[in-house]
Amino acid sequence: GAGVSQSPSNKVTEKGKDVELRCDPISGHTALYWYRQSLGQGLEFLIYFQGNSAPDKSGLPSDRFSAERTGGSVSTLTIQRTQQEDSAVYLCASSLEGNYEQYFGPGTRLTVT
Amino acid sequence: DQQVKQNSPSLSVQEGRISILNCDYTNSMFDYFLWYKKYPAEGPTFLISISSIKDKNEDGRFTVFLNKSAKHLSLHIVPSQPGDSAVYFCAASDRGGGSNYKLTFGKGTLLTVNP
Repeated sequence: GAGVSQSPSNKVTEKGKDVELRCDPISGHTALYWYRQSLGQGLEFLIYFQGNSAPDKSGLPSDRFSAERTGGSVSTLTIQRTQQEDSAVYLCASSLEGNYEQYFGPGTRLTVT
Repeated sequence: DQQVKQNSPSLSVQEGRISILNCDYTNSMFDYFLWYKKYPAEGPTFLISISSIKDKNEDGRFTVFLNKSAKHLSLHIVPSQPGDSAVYFCAASDRGGGSNYKLTFGKGTLLTVNP
């Protein structure tokens, strides 16, 4: 079946602009995670959605970052007033409820110039 | 403070030999550990996992060992194949009794298997 998909695959934006990143999880997966990987670093947790429950936003680095998940499926991560330190690969993952194994999308490489 | 550490940024082995990738952690609340494999321009792919109540899990050529007292785990690949060349990430989960299975990752080890 189809895996996790993300769009766009690459995004170059100017400092100060807003960007939206999209994630389509695996059908039937109720848990959805966003991570980011900065250059030379491991993946860093950003936000978690589970069904209709309130998201766990504890990993968001600043209030410029927000995310939503509509209809329990597609999720968008929005970064407002982008800064150069926001440059990273943003990865989305999904899993079945109560399951540790997460399945990752290919990521969106964001470059802020 | 890095809770999951992979101290070797890279490892090079000959085809057919054993590859051993190491990972240390500091958070004693971690209850599940996973290894992911990542090729360039792709997302990480789940490889193998182990619960904290076990000390070994095996799947084909891949075996993960967990030493809880030392807070150390390792991934053994034998025999190594050129197609195994990738970045390997160690990850750990502590859901603290909740439903968020968020993963804490190490920085990865680049494995190169030479023909």
